Amino acid sequence: NAGVTQTPKFQVLKTGQSMTLQCAQDMNHEYMSWYRQDPGMGLRLIHYSVGAGITDQGEVPNGYNVSRSTTEDFPLRLLSAAPSQTSVYFCASSYSDTGKAGNTIYFGEGSWLTVV
Amino acid sequence: AQTVTQSQPEMSVQEAETVTLSCTYDTSESDYYLFWYKQPPSRQMILVIRQEAYKQQNATENRFSVNFQKAAKSFSLKISDSQLGDAAMYFCAYRSGDYKLSFGAGTTVTVRA
Repeated sequence: NAGVTQTPKFQVLKTGQSMTLQCAQDMNHEYMSWYRQDPGMGLRLIHYSVGAGITDQGEVPNGYNVSRSTTEDFPLRLLSAAPSQTSVYFCASSYSDTGKAGNTIYFGEGSWLTVV
Repeated sequence: AQTVTQSQPEMSVQEAETVTLSCTYDTSESDYYLFWYKQPPSRQMILVIRQEAYKQQNATENRFSVNFQKAAKSFSLKISDSQLGDAAMYFCAYRSGDYKLSFGAGTTVTVRA
């Protein structure tokens, strides 16, 4: 049981480069999301999805794109990396049964991204 | 996004003693869920405890318990019999029916041997 798998774990990018952070879960969860964690702040929601083909913006979506073509995968794309996007990124997933927002949220181990 | 406030950036506790972390939140909803997550230096997010807003009884998980005051919108975490392994950053989080999770800024807990 792999849970939520994020790749890569570490990445250094140059300003202006693009890249994709991969996220996969094997628990058949409908809900998936991406967060970023910056020093002195909690995790902030970037984008989320409640099912295949459905995505929506979170609190800090600018500079990021997502897609959800399958239930298992939810990649996060940085279109043109900027130093302000240096952060630790977390992918998370859970079931989304109606009325069960308290379902356990599973987090990946994080991806450390540095933009120079 | 809902506002979650953790007013204590750092807390220190003697091993075997008790420490309480505070959390307040702002919401107009009546049905929601609250969580405490532990983040050790490895950065792994570990669920410590959760509370359903419709339940009056405070949640407990072994040495961890909460004091949930719905009217005051307060959700504090008590760690009893603190252990060295409890040292970590602790995040309070709020989740409503739209499934978005809002986090506080975190409290760093240091355990003194």
